[in-house]
Amino acid sequence: GIQVEQSPPDLILQEGANSTLRCNFSDSVNNLQWFHQNPWGQLINLFYIPSGTKQNGRLSATTVATERYSLLYISSSQTTDSGVYFCAVELEGNQFYFGTGTSLTVIP
Amino acid sequence: EPEVTQTPSHQVTQMGQEVILRCVPISNHLYFYWYRQILGQKVEFLVSFYNNEISEKSEIFDDQFSVERPDGSNFTLKIRSTKLEDSAMYFCASIMSTEAFFGQGTRLTVV
Repeated sequence: GIQVEQSPPDLILQEGANSTLRCNFSDSVNNLQWFHQNPWGQLINLFYIPSGTKQNGRLSATTVATERYSLLYISSSQTTDSGVYFCAVELEGNQFYFGTGTSLTVIP
Repeated sequence: EPEVTQTPSHQVTQMGQEVILRCVPISNHLYFYWYRQILGQKVEFLVSFYNNEISEKSEIFDDQFSVERPDGSNFTLKIRSTKLEDSAMYFCASIMSTEAFFGQGTRLTVV
């Protein structure tokens, strides 16, 4: 099956710092989404980004489908950004495969 | 922003009891899913549902699990006789075209 790898697995940042999270996938995909799982376990949709670049406030994402990776950028990080970030890819049939996650801790 | 709603947010149940987790998908969406996340692990696919029947299911989705759409709006996941290892976050998702919208999850604790 498809492999979805995220890096780094863990990241600790000082408040105000910038970061880049990476998602590599092993096969062509129809869709890619980024999610933030907050400390309460809730999955928050961040980006629907099968290709190209999108921005939403301090967050932006880029997917290069031909090279099978996506990047999530967090600028001027805040403590509320802490949690686990997942990318998930969708093949044919609408089933999503989640990555291994990046656990982000932002310290004040 | 469209929203998938799940209830309850947290449920505690005794081992061997039946539980029903509820989801209200986004109206006009056609595909519905249940996913599970055991604490500290990846989010795993359980089952997909289209046109009032199961379209795909994983190895996890054994005879203890069932899904239905009883009234055309709600989408439920039933676990007939819960085990300790069923303790997890359960996420419902609905999809129109290819974008998935996930609910906030139900944390199930089996004691």
